[in-house]
Amino acid sequence: GEDVEQSLFLSVREGDSSVINCTYTDSSSTYLYWYKQEPGAGLQLLTYIFSNMDMKQDQRLTVLLNKKDKHLSLRIADTQTGDSAIYFCAEMRDKIIFGKGTRLHILP
Amino acid sequence: ETGVTQTPRHLVMGMTNKKSLKCEQHLGHNAMYWYKQSAKKPLELMFVYSLEERVENNSVPSRFSPECPNSSHLFLHLHTLQPEDSALYLCASSQEVTGGYEQYFGPGTRLTVT
Repeated sequence: GEDVEQSLFLSVREGDSSVINCTYTDSSSTYLYWYKQEPGAGLQLLTYIFSNMDMKQDQRLTVLLNKKDKHLSLRIADTQTGDSAIYFCAEMRDKIIFGKGTRLHILP
Repeated sequence: ETGVTQTPRHLVMGMTNKKSLKCEQHLGHNAMYWYKQSAKKPLELMFVYSLEERVENNSVPSRFSPECPNSSHLFLHLHTLQPEDSALYLCASSQEVTGGYEQYFGPGTRLTVT
């Protein structure tokens, strides 16, 4: 397909791990990104991964890349209320292409 | 604060009005972008400026007119808009357009066309 695909919603209990999945479109994409958008704000770059990497870890965030399946995931360990936001997956082709975003809802 | 500011934050305009959105970046970047964010749709790239020259125009209707007077400022001039143009308009900047780059986004202008 032509679109970057993400599920629209995810609910996770506070303290659990959140895993947000994404399927991108072009196996030759050089960079893959995760952005976070909090209510009333613009997009904030959380992390990115080069296409020659399988995994990248940054504090509570772990990004996994499966190039064969064109699958990208973002794991947030010890999910907190401040993690409640919309998370956008994006790939770099000749320009940056965004998914529709996954809204992460934190349950008490 | 990402170093990219947008004004106004909210705008309500009639279909016959003319208004402008302003974006300013304080990051020393060379490229600036306008995106449209509508409900339940992916972010739509509208315009790209690199070194103050427009390098991309993604089939955007002529009722949207961008202007980039210098590398720090970007405007989006609006006239005779339609209700379906109501959306969040996001400005972004980056150090370069091609290759690996990070885009820094402003908070957006929430536009409502009545």
